[in-house]
Amino acid sequence: DIQLTQSPSFLSASVGDRVTITCRASQGISTYLAWYQQKPGKAPKLLIYAASTLQNGVPSRFSGSGSGTEFTLTISSLQPEDCATYYCQQLNSYPVTFGQGTRLEIK
Amino acid sequence: EVQLVESGGGLVQPGGSLRLSCAASGFAFSNYWMSWVRQAPGKGLEWVANIKDDGRESFYVDSVKGRFTISRDNAKTSLYLQINSLRAEDTAVYYCAIIGGRSFQHWGQGTLVTVSS
Repeated sequence: DIQLTQSPSFLSASVGDRVTITCRASQGISTYLAWYQQKPGKAPKLLIYAASTLQNGVPSRFSGSGSGTEFTLTISSLQPEDCATYYCQQLNSYPVTFGQGTRLEIK
Repeated sequence: EVQLVESGGGLVQPGGSLRLSCAASGFAFSNYWMSWVRQAPGKGLEWVANIKDDGRESFYVDSVKGRFTISRDNAKTSLYLQINSLRAEDTAVYYCAIIGGRSFQHWGQGTLVTVSS
């Protein structure tokens, strides 16, 4: 199974900050990586797919990059509504796996 | 508007069974692979199963193989998850999701399954 390790697990940042979350895969997954945002009590929401393609309707302050085993999700200017948990997911091979999540808090 | 509405969750005793449903609307259901994902209370996301658009192929996480069965009825635009031999560790919110673009494009609101005596 492909393991995904996110870092950090918890992040506290201020409005306007640039925030980066990293996702490392235990083996190469090309660009078969997606990022999701989940707010408490809500379903996950797709932000980025194919490692760097922004889902329709997602603000442009979100961006993704990477290929192979190392990926990043960047929020260029943090907004209060970005307080959430973020997950990466690989769809290169079965079983589909998720990272453990990164909880983002607004200072 | 794309809508996925899960139902069928509830409280069940260990060893019991449930059938979860996901009613889909607002998109061409028969053209899309579908998935079930679960989330235990306070924990992360865990993929459970995928099913091909025509229902002829399915894939499962090892921990549910032989106990869970994913199925679909394209005429009724509905997805199902039959869950048997339930264990305490199956307690979770179960989400259905549309697979597209090598991602889970849209998710339902989830249905809670609680396994307890």
